Amino acid sequence: GESVGLHLPTLSVQEGDNSIINCAYSNSASDYFIWYKQESGKGPQFIIDIRSNMDKRQGQRVTVLLNKTVKHLSLQIAATQPGDSAVYFCAENILKGGTSYGKLTFGQGTILTVHP
Amino acid sequence: DTAVSQTPKYLVTQMGNDKSIKCEQNLGHDTMYWYKQDSKKFLKIMFSYNNKELIINETVPNRFSPKSPDKAHLNLHINSLELGDSAVYFCASSQGVADTEAFFGQGTRLTVV
Repeated sequence: GESVGLHLPTLSVQEGDNSIINCAYSNSASDYFIWYKQESGKGPQFIIDIRSNMDKRQGQRVTVLLNKTVKHLSLQIAATQPGDSAVYFCAENILKGGTSYGKLTFGQGTILTVHP
Repeated sequence: DTAVSQTPKYLVTQMGNDKSIKCEQNLGHDTMYWYKQDSKKFLKIMFSYNNKELIINETVPNRFSPKSPDKAHLNLHINSLELGDSAVYFCASSQGVADTEAFFGQGTRLTVV
C-alpha cells in the first residue's frame, strides 16, 4: 500500500551543524517526493522537491537525496540556523491518472530543534 | 497580502453543532485543498478541487461537505460535529493538480467540546 514514513521523530542539532532528516517510502509509483517545513502555529511550507528519475537535487542550503533502491529520501540542511527549527514532512505526489492523481501524501514528520 | 487565508483561526464549539470554515486564495491558482492535521501532526488530505470541480474525495464522513463557489474559494462545512473532529484544518492551493508546491493557509484549530 501507500505509505511515507520517517525514521527519526526528533532531531536536535547545534547552530552551524549540518542536519539530515530521513524518510522511508513504500510506493514505487510516486512521481515526485517533496519536503515541507511547518513552523509552530503555521501551515506547511514547500522547501524542495525531486522527481523520481533523479537522485539528487540542491537548493539554497538544502539538498534532497533519493535512493530508489532502498526507497529512502533525505533532506540535508547545511549550516543549520535557529530559524530552521520546525517540523519537517516528506510527501509524495503521483501524477498518473486514477484516485491518487495530484494527491500529496504526507509522512509523519520530524521535529528539528536547533540550539544556539 | 496573505496568499491563502482561512477563517476563523480558532473555533470552539459543542458536539452536534454545524460549523463552516472559509478559505480564499489570491494566487490565481486552479486547485484548492482541505487537509486535516491531528494531534500527532499527521497531515491527511480530505478534498481537492480543480476549477471548482471535485477531484479528490478521501474517505471522509458525509458530515463534511466542501463547497467551491469559484476557483478562489473553497469552504468546508461540517454537520453534527463530533469530538473526533477536533483537529487543525488547513486549506491549501496550487497552480494545478500536478503541482508539488502547495501554498497552505495558517490553519483553523477546531475544538469540539
